[in-house]
Amino acid sequence: QQPVQSPQAVILREGEDAVINCSSSKALYSVHWYRQKHGEAPVFLMILLKGGEQKGHDKISASFNEKKQQSSLYLTASQLSYSGTYFCGTETNNDMRFGAGTRLTVKP
Amino acid sequence: DSGVTQTPKHLITATGQRVTLRCSPRSGDLSVYWYQQSLDQGLQFLIQYYNGEERAKGNILERFSAQQFPDLHSELNLSSLELGDSALYFCASSVGTGINIQYFGAGTRLSVL
Repeated sequence: QQPVQSPQAVILREGEDAVINCSSSKALYSVHWYRQKHGEAPVFLMILLKGGEQKGHDKISASFNEKKQQSSLYLTASQLSYSGTYFCGTETNNDMRFGAGTRLTVKP
Repeated sequence: DSGVTQTPKHLITATGQRVTLRCSPRSGDLSVYWYQQSLDQGLQFLIQYYNGEERAKGNILERFSAQQFPDLHSELNLSSLELGDSALYFCASSVGTGINIQYFGAGTRLSVL
């Protein structure tokens, strides 16, 4: 089953923060986050394993609430380079499905 | 460069035709995934192979088929093509067990005219 992402789209000014949410109805083994620039391949950002850990990648971090089967991606002090579509992928029993994506636009 | 190679990069064909997309996974990866992405849409999972065997199936049409060969490369065959099959087709690979980070190829852009 495909996870649900929200919001569908976000528009920010440089330096602003954003949160992208991902939720699943199934018990998850892990949550993956990817970013895709227009016309390019999705690029892996980070993975969160069950256990509620939080990970960071520069000014992008994420959390995973195993009990709620939810993950959130936090983008702080956004830069123009953060623009793109963010996908969460939820993994159960070696089966991963991606959400519909959140389109993030950062303007100067 | 993700290490995943997809060929061809672009493919233009006519309705009713058949095409084959090819994917070579990263060295050491045993699992291959195929995704379809229509214009500005999400990643629709088609099928996954692990070490030559089908592991998971998504929304793959009966007109589409795939296989993974002993050298671990994979091919996605699309037949009786329709206009709606025009899309970007991505292949991804992962180790297949444990922490399954997927690395994506650059994609094949299929245009059906």
